Amino acid sequence: GQQVQQSPASLVLQEGENAELQCNFSTSLNSMQWFYQRPGGSLVSLFYNPSGTKQSGRLTSTTVIKERRSSLHISSSQTTDSGTYLCAMERGAQGLTFGLGTRVSVFP
Amino acid sequence: ETAVFQTPNYHVTQVGNEVSFNCKQTLGHDTMYWYKQDSKKLLKIMFSYNNKQLIVNETVPRRFSPQSSDKAHLNLRIKSVEPEDSAVYLCASSFGGDQDTQYFGPGTRLLVL
Repeated sequence: GQQVQQSPASLVLQEGENAELQCNFSTSLNSMQWFYQRPGGSLVSLFYNPSGTKQSGRLTSTTVIKERRSSLHISSSQTTDSGTYLCAMERGAQGLTFGLGTRVSVFP
Repeated sequence: ETAVFQTPNYHVTQVGNEVSFNCKQTLGHDTMYWYKQDSKKLLKIMFSYNNKQLIVNETVPRRFSPQSSDKAHLNLRIKSVEPEDSAVYLCASSFGGDQDTQYFGPGTRLLVL
C-alpha cells in the first residue's frame, strides 16, 4: 500500500477560504517535505519540515514526526494557489517517497 | 529561480529507440536524483547518485541507466524505450545525507509512440 497517504484527494475552495491538507506516513521517517506542483508539472519546494511548525506567507506547515503526520494550512486562499500539493518523506539516500497529492482548485 | 536545468522539455520517439535526457544543477549539491511521474501523477524515485554511491530503485528496468560526468551533471539514458516509459522525468539535487531539501528541475516529458 501507499507509504504516504494524502487527504483530501481534491479540494474546491472559494477565494478567501482556508484549507487544511493532511499527510500521514506508514513508516518511520527522517523528515518530510511539502511541494507545490504547477499545472505544467514543475515542482516548487514549499517546506522542508522535520518537526514543528514553519510559516511562509499564507502557508503553514506542522509536522509531528513521532506521530508520522504533517499538515499544510492555506489561509485566505487565492486563485493562484490552484495546483497540486505533494508531500514526501525522506529516508536518507533512498530519495523521497511521495504521496499522490491533493489537487486544489480555488475559484473567484 | 531555476537552479536545476533539464533538457529537452519534451521528446517524442518510437518504440525501440534510444533516448538521453540531460540534467545539470548549479547549487553545488553532492547528490542528484531521477524521478518518474506516471500518468497517475505518482512520483517515484528511480536513482540517487553521488560520487560515492549509486542507489537504484529495484523496480527500475535495466534499460534505464544514469550517466554522470561530474557532480553537477546526471543524465538519464533509456536504451530501448517501451510504451510504458511515456511519463515525465524529473531531476533533483540536494547536499545529500540525512535531512536535506531536494530541489527539482522542470521535467522532461517523454511520449513513446
